[in-house]
Amino acid sequence: GENVGLHLPTLSVQEGDNSIINCAYSNSASDYFIWYKQESGKGPQFIIDIRSNMDKRQGQRVTVLLNKTVKHLSLQIAATQPGDSAVYFCAENPRGGKLIFGQGTELSVKP
Amino acid sequence: DTAVSQTPKYLVTQMGNDKSIKCEQNLGHDTMYWYKQDSKKFLKIMFSYNNKELIINETVPNRFSPKSPDKAHLNLHINSLELGDSAVYFCASSQGGSQPQHFGDGTRLSIL
Repeated sequence: GENVGLHLPTLSVQEGDNSIINCAYSNSASDYFIWYKQESGKGPQFIIDIRSNMDKRQGQRVTVLLNKTVKHLSLQIAATQPGDSAVYFCAENPRGGKLIFGQGTELSVKP
Repeated sequence: DTAVSQTPKYLVTQMGNDKSIKCEQNLGHDTMYWYKQDSKKFLKIMFSYNNKELIINETVPNRFSPKSPDKAHLNLHINSLELGDSAVYFCASSQGGSQPQHFGDGTRLSIL
């Protein structure tokens, strides 16, 4: 079936550097995308979302980029901090249907 | 205040037993969900309810039966537990459609 995948299952960055987590999706009908952060022992926590009529959206220290041409989504975290260490998931929503999650990328921030 | 709360946080039981997990949300959302997260962290939807009505039912064994007494609660009952049921189960809620889903902190189910 169709799937949302990630290019990098693990990412290690130095504190203060910028992080980029990538995601490929395959369902061209998807019109809504979300990034979640999951810390150990916790549930996924909403970070930022973007709809298909946009290609960029910014939050506090985070930016999501959407490239519908190549079905690619990325999450950029500026000035990465130790508290950003977690597993990050992208998810796609094909026109109000069920949320399909990607594999997850583990971000490790070195102090 | 916890927005989506599920109990218990840990559940250790023997194969063949029947168990329930409870979920409550105080966000006023109309839609609630159950997800299963396996050992590789892969999250997959199991069920979704909107205003107490089942709207998504993935290919889940019929040993799993969700029940929604009201729109703020969605419980999951599992009969005849099997080793493969060991996972973390997450409850979530949203306004439905293309809106963010808010997750509980999960129930870690371990089958002995």
